[in-house]
Amino acid sequence: IQLQQSGPGLLKPSQTLSLTCAISGDIVSSSSAAWNWIRQSPSRGLEWLGRTYYRSKWYNDYAVSVKSRMTINPDTSKNQFSLQLNSVNSEDTAVYYCAADYGSGSFSFWGQGTQVTVSS
Amino acid sequence: DIQMTQSPSSLSASVGDRVTITCQASQDISSFLNWYQQRPGKSPNLLIFDASKLETGVTSRFSGSGSGTDFTFTISSLQPEDIATYYCQQYNNLPLTFGPGTKVDIK
Repeated sequence: IQLQQSGPGLLKPSQTLSLTCAISGDIVSSSSAAWNWIRQSPSRGLEWLGRTYYRSKWYNDYAVSVKSRMTINPDTSKNQFSLQLNSVNSEDTAVYYCAADYGSGSFSFWGQGTQVTVSS
Repeated sequence: DIQMTQSPSSLSASVGDRVTITCQASQDISSFLNWYQQRPGKSPNLLIFDASKLETGVTSRFSGSGSGTDFTFTISSLQPEDIATYYCQQYNNLPLTFGPGTKVDIK
């Protein structure tokens, strides 16, 4: 399994962060995987943000801290999933990772990470 | 949310030393605990899942133990390639949460 991240690294406050994670070696609608977004910053450490997964239908879970601003969407046509975080501020500055979970919460595969900086 | 703590926050040991890191959960998480290694500038790498099960391809120098709220990660004989930060992570409840990390250096 390989995960390839893409997306811009510099945003201004109040803009929308959009990142994509392309999957190779599995399909986004796999019934045994969950597709996650995690971020890492010096102030907050490693922080799980949310996930999407398919079990006869699509499900999403989000961390309370970002739930009102975040959307994770699967794209079966491109075999990828995306993160959208609205109204970013300086506290959203972090390295963002996508990660695959095949074990109910164990992140076996990770993307390469994307440094996202929010600055005016 | 379940809070994860780790100790020490950093350590320095000699090549060949036995190194032990502890992780404590704020409530009972059974054995739903993972350990990751993160080398500088790299993504984290899963080492141990279910508190004590070695991920495929991971060296047997690494081991984990514990259940409930108290867990231990051990490097049996520290090697230069083990220089990294190590994180525990619980998956008993959402949100999934990580410990703050333990940075391991060579003395």
